[in-house]
Amino acid sequence: DVKVTQSSRYLVKRTGEKVFLECVQDMDHENMFWYRQDPGLGLRLIYFSYDVKMKEKGDIPEGYSVSREKKERFSLILESASTNQTSMYLCASMPGTGFDTQYFGPGTRLTVL
Amino acid sequence: AQKITQTQPGMFVQEKEAVTLDCTYDTSDPSYGLFWYKQPSSGEMIFLIYQGSYDQQNATEGRYSLNFQKARKSANLVISASQLGDSAMYFCAMGLLTGNQFYFGTGTSLTVIP
Repeated sequence: DVKVTQSSRYLVKRTGEKVFLECVQDMDHENMFWYRQDPGLGLRLIYFSYDVKMKEKGDIPEGYSVSREKKERFSLILESASTNQTSMYLCASMPGTGFDTQYFGPGTRLTVL
Repeated sequence: AQKITQTQPGMFVQEKEAVTLDCTYDTSDPSYGLFWYKQPSSGEMIFLIYQGSYDQQNATEGRYSLNFQKARKSANLVISASQLGDSAMYFCAMGLLTGNQFYFGTGTSLTVIP
């Protein structure tokens, strides 16, 4: 079974702090994704990566950056957390070829005070 | 432009009855895949069913079936014999080969009533 893990289920940070959300997958997938989920808005894509050191902006990249130094790990960075970044963050991975489902991690519920 | 539309924010269904969750999509790409996910209150996204744009038959997985109407650009999820454990958020999604992108709808909250 594909496994996608995220470093924390719940996280509380203060405004202005630098926040790291880590995601690791164990199935050698080329593609990895970071989404945020807010009530009534569904999942919105922040960034995705199709290879090591490669990244592409999604629909809402402002205030976020990402890092993919190794194939299995995709990190989301909030350079200076703000209260409007309080949300559920979901990481997903997907094989590189053809159509396949995205495999999701359990999510990180981030609260910025 | 929104590529996936789910018009039902909330749905109720009696236990053991069937329910249809609506999904329409918009793309000019001839190659695409349509997916449904279930998200229980615990938060994890669970893959349910997949339909490819070139598939002739509607996809089925146990109690889940996907009613694919290509001309109408709709991909409705049908859950037969609803169970209390089916209460969850349901998301429709579309994947395109170009750009390795996925597009999600805003979700439908399903409540199964005993």
